[in-house]
Amino acid sequence: GENVEQHPSTLSVQEGDSAVIKCTYSDSASNYFPWYKQELGKRPQLIIDIRSNVGEKKDQRIAVTLNKTAKHFSLHITETQPEDSAVYFCAASGGGADGLTFGKGTHLIIQP
Amino acid sequence: KAGVTQTPRYLIKTRGQQVTLSCSPISGHRSVSWYQQTPGQGLQFLFEYFSETQRNKGNFPGRFSGRQFSNSRSEMNVSTLELGDSALYLCASSPGAPLREQYFGPGTRLTVT
Repeated sequence: GENVEQHPSTLSVQEGDSAVIKCTYSDSASNYFPWYKQELGKRPQLIIDIRSNVGEKKDQRIAVTLNKTAKHFSLHITETQPEDSAVYFCAASGGGADGLTFGKGTHLIIQP
Repeated sequence: KAGVTQTPRYLIKTRGQQVTLSCSPISGHRSVSWYQQTPGQGLQFLFEYFSETQRNKGNFPGRFSGRQFSNSRSEMNVSTLELGDSALYLCASSPGAPLREQYFGPGTRLTVT
């Protein structure tokens, strides 16, 4: 089955700086890669996703890149703000079913 | 549209008992997936239902089962509860391929004593 590795487990950045979280996946059949943000005590919230026919996608301060050959994808957050502090999860799925395999999560801390 | 809802929000059960959790997806969504979230193991996929059929299953023992009804509402059942089953159980609904976006419910916090 699919295996998703996520790094780093904790990331501390100064407010206004950029943050990058990286994930690798094992199943070359995976073709859908979402990112979720989970604040303490709340449900995971879909923030951006990318499909395997696209190399990069942006939404305001958030961008995701995908390298199918290397089987890795990354989340980029620019101009970080205090409200970006949360746990971020990457995930992968494919093969016609919608079940997601998640990375272990990155705790992003924005230092004022 | 109303979001994904789950009931109950909190449950306390004793080892050996069984429990049923319920999930109502977003209107029009046909796929419902279930996940277990724990501090140690993170988010783990349990199973996915689409049009009342289990389409995909994660690596969990047979004590974990589920079903989906014709209105897309889903239930999951855990029998013979163990202490290690204490977790947040999340369901997520999706329109179904090719639109794959999954939207999570608030979860059911299960505590097994």
